[in-house]
Amino acid sequence: ETGVTQTPRHLVMGMTNKKSLKCEQHLGHNAMYWYKQSAKKPLELMFVYNFKEQTENNSVPSRFSPECPNSSHLFLHLHTLQPEDSALYLCASSQRGLAENNEQFFGPGTRLTVL
Amino acid sequence: KQEVTQIPAALSVPEGENLVLNCSFTDSAIYNLQWFRQDPGKGLTSLLLIQSSQREQTSGRLNASLDKSSGRSTLYIAASQPGDSATYLCAVMGHDMRFGAGTRLTVKP
Repeated sequence: ETGVTQTPRHLVMGMTNKKSLKCEQHLGHNAMYWYKQSAKKPLELMFVYNFKEQTENNSVPSRFSPECPNSSHLFLHLHTLQPEDSALYLCASSQRGLAENNEQFFGPGTRLTVL
Repeated sequence: KQEVTQIPAALSVPEGENLVLNCSFTDSAIYNLQWFRQDPGKGLTSLLLIQSSQREQTSGRLNASLDKSSGRSTLYIAASQPGDSATYLCAVMGHDMRFGAGTRLTVKP
């Protein structure tokens, strides 16, 4: 296992549910990321947090709401999702945000299924 | 907008072969290029990071090169093993982070 953990590993939810994904990094990094990986599509960057401040939001629908209370924890709050939101959601961390010499480390992902 | 392409999409080789995976990108204004492997249903494992000022990086049987001016990177795997079977992804970090669709590698015993 890497120094980035994600819970839950699997989640099934209805379109009217509210749930949250959790990510924790134990690497002492200052930046954290959420990615979406859908079948047959490249990974898509959703959000970037650098020193707890959101620096990137790649036109993600408002039904996805990120929260970064400190540099070690990152949440993705989900509400009124659609079936097409079913995907593998990956969290990553790095020493700092989008910058030179900045290796990203990924968690194992949460497999989300929206019914 | 940065676009990242990986060729081939899939590759099957017998054990012991040396092989090359290709990654190309359209915008040369990058900070780094990173190669990952992903096993089915799992997260990504970082293999190599090449800074924009570097030409190559090596780790064990892996060697990655970067030609920023032509927008190309290659991942060379020497003496392939069945355990190398996975999807290999390249990612380009600039003002954004863009991934290729990956090359699915199968190494047959």
